[in-house]
Amino acid sequence: GAVVSQHPSRVICKSGTSVKIECRSLDFQATTMFWYRQFPKQSLMLMATSNEGSKATYEQGVEKDKFLINHASLTLSTLTVTSAHPEDSSFYICSALTVHGYTFGSGTRLTVV
Amino acid sequence: KNEVEQSPQNLTAQEGEFITINCSYSVGISALHWLQQHPGGGIVSLFMLSSGKKKHGRLIATINIQEKHSSLHITASHPRDSAVYICAVITSGSRLTFGEGTQLTVNP
Repeated sequence: GAVVSQHPSRVICKSGTSVKIECRSLDFQATTMFWYRQFPKQSLMLMATSNEGSKATYEQGVEKDKFLINHASLTLSTLTVTSAHPEDSSFYICSALTVHGYTFGSGTRLTVV
Repeated sequence: KNEVEQSPQNLTAQEGEFITINCSYSVGISALHWLQQHPGGGIVSLFMLSSGKKKHGRLIATINIQEKHSSLHITASHPRDSAVYICAVITSGSRLTFGEGTQLTVNP
């Protein structure tokens, strides 16, 4: 089946630094990748939709300059959290739509100290 | 009111019990997903359905489009089924709208 590989699974970074999260589609081409954030005990919240070769579409309230999304190829989408702050600590997960429905990455737990 | 409502929010069962989780939605959809989220956070798609019923092993999912309602059933539940189960509907623009999730705990 369609697999999305997400890395890293867990990252701890210092306040003010940037962190890059990668999602690769391993056996299919993902023209669209969805990026979500999840706080403890809450639902997934859509942050942005990335489309291969074009600018990402951000949800209301999500700072595009803080959460940089790049979707340069059909198999790779990246989310970079710039100048991270403790309030950015969260679980980030990507997802792609395939013919069989949505498939999800394994998620990245970001802790900013 | 959320567009996707799940019940119950929490469910505790004994091993072997038959479990039902319900999902109601108020928007037009093209399909509905049942997802399983493990304690570590990883999400697995159990089913995508737009009509009728699907079965995979001990899991059964049904959907009634007219009533805007779906159910996920687990037969002969096992402690390894303990997870959060999430109903998510696909709306316009292929957007996923999620329910709040049901925390299932199956005790041995």
